[in-house]
Amino acid sequence: DQQVKQNSPSLSVQEGRISILNCDYTNSMFDYFLWYKKYPAEGPTFLISISSIKDKNEDGRFTVFLNKSAKHLSLHIVPSQPGDSAVYFCAASASEGNTPLVFGKGTRLSVIA
Amino acid sequence: DAGITQSPRHKVTETGTPVTLRCHQTENHRYMYWYRQDPGHGLRLIHYSYGVKDTDKGEVSDGYSVSRSKTEDFLLTLESATSSQTSVYFCAISEQGTGSGEKLFFGSGTQLSVL
Repeated sequence: DQQVKQNSPSLSVQEGRISILNCDYTNSMFDYFLWYKKYPAEGPTFLISISSIKDKNEDGRFTVFLNKSAKHLSLHIVPSQPGDSAVYFCAASASEGNTPLVFGKGTRLSVIA
Repeated sequence: DAGITQSPRHKVTETGTPVTLRCHQTENHRYMYWYRQDPGHGLRLIHYSYGVKDTDKGEVSDGYSVSRSKTEDFLLTLESATSSQTSVYFCAISEQGTGSGEKLFFGSGTQLSVL
């Protein structure tokens, strides 16, 4: 069973507009959530994270929102730039047991100039 | 950038042959992980290590073994490679484990093709 779900395999957005990437999770023990960005032929790199005690975390053009009751988080990129075109992975972990990160299947974002 | 080196970067092998992938880190981090990335599956954990000689299985551990005899090196072995193990393999490290929200640092990956 997938514990972290990214139901949109791809997303296409125009440059300058907002990109919204969504992620759902099923394990209520998850209390840390991270977003990673991956370019072709490179390893994933950390983008932004949020803990379950918060509902929003912002870093420049990137904001992550967490809705614990819905077990849903989203990554907003404003404004979107062509260099943001990449695969974005949502990941989650639980502090109990110091569990390894569980990743979603990823969403490929294409930002069109 | 975190000091993580994966070798080889690319490998082509035949079904039934043993293969070992190496991950070397210079950060002295306690935790090391092996993930594989496949289209439609995202990143899936194979095995991880929480110290020298301390390892545990991940979600897709069948057909793989690991060893960690020194802090800096984490080896992934495919005892008898199969075509289903064709994938991109990523090594990752973290200082204290990801349960506290600590992020992972990833290597550049190894593209393995099993013919």
